[in-house]
Amino acid sequence: RKEVEQDPGPFNVPEGATVAFNCTYSNSASQSFFWYRQDCRKEPKLLMSVYSSGNEDGRFTAQLNRASQYISLLIRDSKLSDSATYLCVVNSVSGGYNKLIFGAGTRLAVHP
Amino acid sequence: NAGVTQTPKFQVLKTGQSMTLQCAQDMNHNSMYWYRQDPGMGLRLIYYSASEGTTDKGEVPNGYNVSRLNKREFSLRLESAAPSQTSVYFCASSDPDRRQPQHFGDGTRLSIL
Repeated sequence: RKEVEQDPGPFNVPEGATVAFNCTYSNSASQSFFWYRQDCRKEPKLLMSVYSSGNEDGRFTAQLNRASQYISLLIRDSKLSDSATYLCVVNSVSGGYNKLIFGAGTRLAVHP
Repeated sequence: NAGVTQTPKFQVLKTGQSMTLQCAQDMNHNSMYWYRQDPGMGLRLIYYSASEGTTDKGEVPNGYNVSRLNKREFSLRLESAAPSQTSVYFCASSDPDRRQPQHFGDGTRLSIL
């Protein structure tokens, strides 16, 4: 079983739609959680951190359920510019370093 | 605002050739990382350096070596390139605080024929 699992998609949605991505992780000792965005042939960029109480950044809402080891990302009012691959990332401290485990990503395509 | 800088951006090698990928960061981060990304797979950690003077193997270290030259620079070397090493390579850096995300360079696209 992969340490971080995501639905690969693609999710094809019209502009203005609400779309949700899910992610599960296997290590119950994981301590920090992030969503990264990766555009085609570009580097991953931090979209937002995920906090235990859930957090929102504009049209983006992230939720964490530690008991179920589940993370979600909700995008409201989708824009064409949201088209990208969204990477679920789980952090743990191992051997004194900041270890990130990346999911394979969920691809989102927003169409007019 | 350079952040993490990787060179070269593109490279084509023949099987058996060697080369070094360079990475430098100007954010005064202690930790640096090398990943590879292949189609349909997540980023896989090759090597990391928790701090200046230390390096450790990640998930897929075979065929690679690294050097943490100083706090800013972390290089990745392929001694004898193989077609299986065709990939996109990303360097990243972070503070060791677990709450801090990693910041990535814009990648090196490497093809080995």
